[in-house]
Formats: sequence, structure tokens, C-alpha cells
Amino acid sequence: DAGITQSPRHKVTETGTPVTLRCHQTENHRYMYWYRQDPGHGLRLIHYSYGVKDTDKGEVSDGYSVSRSKTEDFLLTLESATSSQTSVYFCAIKENEETQYFGPGTRLLVL
Amino acid sequence: GQSLEQPSEVTAVEGAIVQINCTYQTSGFYGLSWYQQHDGGAPTFLSYNALDGLEETGRFSSFLSRSDSYGYLLLQELQMKDSASYFCAVIGQNFVFGPGTRLSVLP
Repeated sequence: DAGITQSPRHKVTETGTPVTLRCHQTENHRYMYWYRQDPGHGLRLIHYSYGVKDTDKGEVSDGYSVSRSKTEDFLLTLESATSSQTSVYFCAIKENEETQYFGPGTRLLVL
Repeated sequence: GQSLEQPSEVTAVEGAIVQINCTYQTSGFYGLSWYQQHDGGAPTFLSYNALDGLEETGRFSSFLSRSDSYGYLLLQELQMKDSASYFCAVIGQNFVFGPGTRLSVLP
């Protein structure tokens, strides 16, 4: 399972509140990714990181920020949550050029 | 930009063979991957094609035609546990996933 954990696994929050999701890996992979998954849209890339303090935007980055101060941790922050950010969030690492391994996911509900 | 198309749903019976198609439009293409996701679970890697042709892994095979921007996943001897969603993904600078195909296997 590539040693990927996500926390929290479930969260309910209110519109306008800040939310931070954590992804932790134990195998020193350089690349880490945050995706959101919504019905009919598959997995859409929010942000990714290619090293400590090196991050870049993905397809749906508006309203999200990320940080990576240590190799093992990649944080996703919703500065002011909106109902449109209700989703399932997956973290992933790149094992090699052809394979990504995913964490168990975080279900976020914004009321 | 990049876009992928897959059928939204496929239904088949146990023991049958099913093919899930994927067409893509992309700039920058290294290969096509397939992932399986059971309800409530995380996507898991199934197969990867960088070159044209068929790759076989047990009951699952994956095909790629780069000239046609087309690939498919072939599942043989279907089992109930194969009921899941299947995603194709274009591998370029990043991974771009298709919308997914929900496969229901009936007894």
C-alpha cells in the first residue's frame, strides 16, 4: 500500500471555515498529489509536489493551497470551505513513471 | 488540453468477457494506465501500456493504439468481485483520469 495515510478520514465542516487535510507517506517518494473525486468526473488533480517546498497547480486548484515542509507530509488547505468543495479527497504518490498509489481518502462534507 | 471518454456503465454476467473502451485527446502522451476502484475504496493500479498492442496480466488485458488514441481493458472470466469502477488514465506530465466506467457483474 506504499505506506500512505490520510487524516482525517471523515470531516464535516461549515461554509467559511478553514480545513486542512494531511497526507503522510513513509517511503520517501518525491512526487505527491492531491485529487478530488466527484461523481461523473473521475479523479481531478488539485495540486502536486515534486519535492520539499516544490509544488504546482493542477486542473482544479482554485480555492485550495498546499504545503510540503517535509518529504513525508503533504498538506491540503481549504482557506474558506464552500459547499462545492464537498468531495472525496485522495492523496497519491508516484511509485514510478507509470504507477501512482493512492491513500484511503478523506470524505469532506461542507454544510 | 486533455480529455478522456469512457462508457459510464457496463453490465455483464459471471464468467463472461467484457471490454471497457477509452478514447483520449491529449498533448504529451507517454502511456495509458488502468485503475480499479471498489465502492468506498481507493483506486488501485491494474495495468499500463506505453506501446501499441496487448498487455496481459492474468484475467485482465489492456490494449493501446496510439495512432487511434484508443485503448481498452478486457476482463475475462468475470467474477462478482470484479464489480467496481474502472478508470483509464493518460500519463503525460501528470496523470489525467477518465470519468470512469462502473462495471456490474450479475450472477
